[in-house]
Amino acid sequence: DQQVKQNSPSLSVQEGRISILNCDYTNSMFDYFLWYKKYPAEGPTFLISISSIKDKNEDGRFTVFLNKSAKHLSLHIVPSQPGDSAVYFCAASYTGGGNKLTFGTGTQLKVEL
Amino acid sequence: DGGITQSPKYLFRKEGQNVTLSCEQNLNHDAMYWYRQDPGQGLRLIYYSQIVNDFQKGDIAEGYSVSREKKESFPLTVTSAQKNPTAFYLCASSPQASNQPQHFGDGTRLSIL
Repeated sequence: DQQVKQNSPSLSVQEGRISILNCDYTNSMFDYFLWYKKYPAEGPTFLISISSIKDKNEDGRFTVFLNKSAKHLSLHIVPSQPGDSAVYFCAASYTGGGNKLTFGTGTQLKVEL
Repeated sequence: DGGITQSPKYLFRKEGQNVTLSCEQNLNHDAMYWYRQDPGQGLRLIYYSQIVNDFQKGDIAEGYSVSREKKESFPLTVTSAQKNPTAFYLCASSPQASNQPQHFGDGTRLSIL
């Protein structure tokens, strides 16, 4: 049972435009959501997170939006840069769950010149 | 610099052998985790430890064992009972408190000879 889903395996965007990566979840207990960026043969790097008490969190070029009623979150990258090309993972956890993360399957973002 | 060190980066195992993957952190984090990544899939939790001398099974613990004798170290043994051990293994750590991002090492790629 895939509790965190990233339905788009890949996304291609032109440099300077907005990248929007989507993530859906099914477990209503999740109350903390994170995005990680991963390059090949490296570990994931934490990008940004959001608590379920918020609907938006912004950090520089990265903004995460949370729609609890739809059980949906998205990561916006503006403007997109070639160095943003990587696999992006959505992850979720819940309070009292031992800080265990449940990951989506990832979206490969390619930012083209 | 503070961080998580995984070694070796590449590891080869013969059929029927046990192998141990090393994970060391100097972030003073209480909690440590082991994940496995297979092509086209997200990260799946193998084992986690919230405190020294204590650990719990994750979603795919069969064929694996761990120990947590020191706060800094959380080695993972892939036993001969693990029938499909070829994968990319990632170690992470975090403060024990809930809703904290996990920080990852750069992984170990295990292959079967």
